[in-house]
Parts: sequence; structure tokens; C-alpha cells
Amino acid sequence: GAVVSQHPSRVICKSGTSVKIECRSLDFQATTMFWYRQFPKQSLMLMATSNEGSKATYEQGVEKDKFLINHASLTLSTLTVTSAHPEDSSFYICSARDFFLAGADTQYFGPGTRLTVL
Amino acid sequence: GQNIDQPTEMTATEGAIVQINCTYQTSGFNGLFWYQQHAGEAPTFLSYNVLDGLEEKGRFSSFLSRSKGYSYLLLKELQMKDSASYLCADNNAGNMLTFGGGTRLMVKP
Repeated sequence: GAVVSQHPSRVICKSGTSVKIECRSLDFQATTMFWYRQFPKQSLMLMATSNEGSKATYEQGVEKDKFLINHASLTLSTLTVTSAHPEDSSFYICSARDFFLAGADTQYFGPGTRLTVL
Repeated sequence: GQNIDQPTEMTATEGAIVQINCTYQTSGFNGLFWYQQHAGEAPTFLSYNVLDGLEEKGRFSSFLSRSKGYSYLLLKELQMKDSASYLCADNNAGNMLTFGGGTRLMVKP
């Protein structure tokens, strides 16, 4: 149980284009999903908390108009990187909590999406 | 605020035991997680401590002292496949994780 998928696993795009990344909880419902970014040899940095049916909560320094998050259902959250630039190249990872599982503090991570902006 | 410290790198020998320490300073502590992350992959959950003491899970054990703001991950009978980064993360009152910088463990034959 507690499987989280992400799509795509890798994407290469031109500067100025937008890229959408999907995060799905496959066998459980997740009212809350999290989006992280990880640069090489660095730890995960939380970008935003995605809540089903409401607006995402962004961490300080993360531009909400650039990183659009939509959490339309209990099993799907999307992150859209708008007008991507080379500095946005990174490893984007989502995680989800199992709302209905007792002691539901554990976050389960998706496999990550490696974004390369040329 | 939150501040999590762990060593950047460690090296150990196959078959040995290694202890990875983590200290934290946080407001609204709500548990301490350890994750394993192989290069280029997402983290995988190893352990969660919310009460003081040692939690054992096979070759991996995790310890927590809330009064000291201290945790460690103990890996026994090291295998080559244990070479990875180990991330310490605290769960604050808002149930959000803050990660330490990670400890890159290299297991040598």
C-alpha cells in the first residue's frame, strides 16, 4: 500500500515553455500532498503544501504564479512550472499522506520528476 | 524556526555497524523521520520516532531523545546496497517535514 506515482519521470523543455507534473496516490486518498524540489547534492526543500479543494500554501520564496498547483481530487495533485527557465532545472518530488490511516504522519514519496530546461 | 544538523558524509565497511546522528531545534515537534535516498531516486521511508527510545526494524534502528533534540539511525551488518543518502526530517506541529542536509554513506568492501 501507500504508493505514489509521478508523471513524467523525465522532461526536457525549451526555455519559456510550461511543464505540468502529475502526482497521484494510487491506493489511498490524500487530502494533503506536498511538492519538494531538490538540487544536486542538496536536500529536499518544501515548495508548497497542496490541499484538496483549496488553494495551495507556498513556502517563503516560492513564486505561486510561477509554480501553479492544483489538487482537484483526493488522488491527484498537479504542479505546473510556467515559463520555465534553466534555473528551474531540478528534481521535483511529491509526497502524500494517507488521510484515513491511523497515525497518518508518514509521507510517502513519488519517484520524482527530473526537469531539464534548455 | 527549525534547524536540523547531520554529518555530510560517512564511510563504513561492509558488514560493520554505522550510526548516523541528527540534532534538531524545532518549534512544535511532532516526530522525527529517517528516509533513505539513492542517487537520482526519491526518498523511501525508514522510520518514525515520536516517543523517546529505540525503535528496531531488522538491520535498521532509530533512536530519539526529545529532551536533547537528538536522534540517530543505526545500520547493522552493512551491505553495499546501503550506500545512499540518509535524510533526517522533523515533523512540526503543522505536520510538515523539514529535512536535514542528508548524510551520504559510502559502504566499502
